[in-house]
Amino acid sequence: AQSVAQPEDQVNVAEGNPLTVKCTYSVSGNPYLFWYVQYPNRGLQFLLKYITGDNLVKGSYGFEAEFNKSQTSFHLKKPSALVSDSALYFCAPDGGYNKLIFGAGTRLAVHP
Amino acid sequence: EAGVVQSPRYKIIEKKQPVAFWCNPISGHNTLYWYLQNLGQGPELLIRYENEEAVDDSQLPKDRFSAERLKGVDSTLKIQPAELGDSAVYLCASSLDSEGTQYFGPGTRLLVL
Repeated sequence: AQSVAQPEDQVNVAEGNPLTVKCTYSVSGNPYLFWYVQYPNRGLQFLLKYITGDNLVKGSYGFEAEFNKSQTSFHLKKPSALVSDSALYFCAPDGGYNKLIFGAGTRLAVHP
Repeated sequence: EAGVVQSPRYKIIEKKQPVAFWCNPISGHNTLYWYLQNLGQGPELLIRYENEEAVDDSQLPKDRFSAERLKGVDSTLKIQPAELGDSAVYLCASSLDSEGTQYFGPGTRLLVL
């Protein structure tokens, strides 16, 4: 079965420090990979996606993600966290025909 | 450019009552998706439309859920009758085509009492 794993329910980081939100997936083929962010009482906002090419993908709000094919991972990163980055983050591989597979997400808490 | 529009934003109903949610996708987006998001979980796809055709409704509980996208633009998702377990957030998303990035609306939060 196709799946995605975000091993940390919550990530805590101090403002100004780098952050990483981890994601591994189990999907056949070479899927497109996405990161979305969800703020309270709002829908999901698209951050970035990997299709092919450079393993480091840059996205919105200073976020980037690193693709590792051998480890089937797609970790989200940001060099310097902001308090306003606190939200719920979802990694979502495309399981085929643009059917995104979502896990339970990782809650990011950035402390002043 | 306007994003995906959903209404209502919140709905409270009693069990066994019907309820409907409306979604207007981003202009020009041919593909429309309805997702269900339970508390503490990620979204799960219910149905996907390409224009007016439902191309994937395998996860839609067809005994009580129905959806339509008659003119290939806006869409309605209906539950009849609603059950307590249907309390969740219903998200609509759209993409330019069947391979494009999905953009989500704010969702409709349903509470069934």
